[in-house]
Amino acid sequence: RKEVEQDPGPFNVPEGATVAFNCTYSNSASQSFFWYRQDCRKEPKLLMSVYSSGNEDGRFTAQLNRASQYISLLIRDSKLSDSATYLCVVNRDTGFQKLVFGTGTRLLVSP
Amino acid sequence: EPEVTQTPSHQVTQMGQEVILRCVPISNHLYFYWYRQILGQKVEFLVSFYNNEISEKSEIFDDQFSVERPDGSNFTLKIRSTKLEDSAMYFCASSEVGTATQYFGPGTRLLVL
Repeated sequence: RKEVEQDPGPFNVPEGATVAFNCTYSNSASQSFFWYRQDCRKEPKLLMSVYSSGNEDGRFTAQLNRASQYISLLIRDSKLSDSATYLCVVNRDTGFQKLVFGTGTRLLVSP
Repeated sequence: EPEVTQTPSHQVTQMGQEVILRCVPISNHLYFYWYRQILGQKVEFLVSFYNNEISEKSEIFDDQFSVERPDGSNFTLKIRSTKLEDSAMYFCASSEVGTATQYFGPGTRLLVL
């Protein structure tokens, strides 16, 4: 089983749509969770950390379910500029531990 | 906003040659990392570095790879004898003490011919 699994997509949505991505992780010892965004041939950029209580940053909402080992990202009112690959990322512990990346979910927002 | 920088942005080399990829982490960060991404695949961890020593490495990081912090600002990845399968994007990242959040540089695209 992959350590972090994501639906690769692509998700094709019109501008203004709401879209949700899901991710599951296999290591129950994972402590930190993130969504990164990656544009084509660019570096991963931190979108948001994911907390157990759920958190929101503008149009973006992240949820974590530790019991199910499941992470989600909701994007409301999609913009053309949201087109990118969204990477689900987990980390075993704080400090100098490796990040484990999912393969990413590609989002295409069209006019 | 402080950011991680990497040089060169692109490197083309012949199989068997040595390459050195350079990174300048964010100045107050003390943990440093290298990751790679083969075209079309996921980002993979190579190595983490703290207090002038490797703290963790993956099975990819074999004897052909080494890392160094030669001075107070640079962090380097050396590949001693490149193979075709080393062709990838190499990302440097850094993080502060006590946080798992890592910030990535723009990457070096390495092509081994």
